[in-house]
Amino acid sequence: QQQVKQSPQSLIVQKGGISIINCAYENTAFDYFPWYQQFPGKGPALLIAIRPDVSEKKEGRFTISFNKSAKQFSLHIMDSQPGDSATYFCAASPPSYTGNQFYFGTGTSLTVIP
Amino acid sequence: GAVVSQHPSRVICKSGTSVKIECRSLDFQATTMFWYRQFPKQSLMLMATSNEGSKATYEQGVEKDKFLINHASLTLSTLTVTSAHPEDSSFYICSASRPDPRGRWGTQYFGPGTRLTVL
Repeated sequence: QQQVKQSPQSLIVQKGGISIINCAYENTAFDYFPWYQQFPGKGPALLIAIRPDVSEKKEGRFTISFNKSAKQFSLHIMDSQPGDSATYFCAASPPSYTGNQFYFGTGTSLTVIP
Repeated sequence: GAVVSQHPSRVICKSGTSVKIECRSLDFQATTMFWYRQFPKQSLMLMATSNEGSKATYEQGVEKDKFLINHASLTLSTLTVTSAHPEDSSFYICSASRPDPRGRWGTQYFGPGTRLTVL
């Protein structure tokens, strides 16, 4: 059973546009939600993460929106650039001092067209 | 930062041989390390979780005798693919868990991955 559902599977956006990737979860014990960016042939890199005490977190062009009641969170990439073309994974975790028990989404392949 | 290295980045071997992949956390001590396998254009498949000084916990369907994991220290874990066969060809990625000093939100940091090709 997929603990975290991610959509869309693939996304094509024009340069300068907004890319939006959505994730949903069921386990109300989850309270840490990171996003990872993976380029072909590389390992995933932590991009941005949010905790449920806030509804939005912004770092540069990347924003996470979090809706606790709906158990959904999304990644928004503003002013998308061709260099943002990568696969993005959302994840969720219950409280854990050690960072165990990450549940990953299935990934979204983003292509930004020049 | 939180840097995790993996070695080798790419390995080609003959069927029947064993291959060892190293994962190191370079600037922090990792309480736990994880090993993932990733097929082209697919998600991360957790293979096993290892804690320093104890036996690894394998996910269902992962052969522990084929994928040997040793977690020798808080900064080093190794994955040995024994008697490798072509179907073991894949992208193997480790991650290291950095504890959260505030007590709740530890985070996984990934290595760059190892591309294994078994001929």
